[in-house]
Amino acid sequence: SAVISQKPSRDICQRGTSLTIQCQVDSQVTMMFWYRQQPGQSLTLIATANQGSEATYESGFVIDKFPISRPNLTFSTLTVSNMSPEDSSIYLCSVDPPGTPGNTEAFFGQGTRLTVV
Amino acid sequence: KQEVTQIPAALSVPEGENLVLNCSFTDSAIYNLQWFRQDPGKGLTSLLLIQSSQREQTSGRLNASLDKSSGRSTLYIAASQPGDSATYLCAVPTSGTYKYIFGTGTRLKVLA
Repeated sequence: SAVISQKPSRDICQRGTSLTIQCQVDSQVTMMFWYRQQPGQSLTLIATANQGSEATYESGFVIDKFPISRPNLTFSTLTVSNMSPEDSSIYLCSVDPPGTPGNTEAFFGQGTRLTVV
Repeated sequence: KQEVTQIPAALSVPEGENLVLNCSFTDSAIYNLQWFRQDPGKGLTSLLLIQSSQREQTSGRLNASLDKSSGRSTLYIAASQPGDSATYLCAVPTSGTYKYIFGTGTRLKVLA
């Protein structure tokens, strides 16, 4: 299993500012994923954070708005830039644990609850 | 494109009832299906993982079944308790990856 720590757990931010969310894993993993959960909605994948290369973004998400860093195999950051109230969401980090996809469960951090005022 | 839906969207039951949550997916070519629990404002807790070759998994009062051919999974909760109150999400990975597509969720409230 993998233990994932996210910081901060919650924050209230002013519109127009940026917030960087950190995700730390207790073991080396190949890929890390960032999800967004808007109020009352399910989770949507933002991007895949690849070590040593640029993140891969899903449709509807762009690097300028959600820049991602992946400096090593245990750490990633997601920045929410130029925030507006529509960015108020829970942001979650997930990793691919050792093993073949499909044979082991995915693990998620406890999330960062962001409120933009 | 895989789509995952859950029925009902919300459910309120008295304590002690057995209940069933439903999850449907449009593409049956899945590697696995995972059920999660989410408490308000919190992250996800993994409940059960069913691999594509399995038909069901059990953990305590929870039992999850999988019927790939019909694109359905059910989560059975026996003898529900107020502590079971949460949102339950099912999710399937896109082929060969850990990029999950989540269902719409079922908000469960168990009344004491």
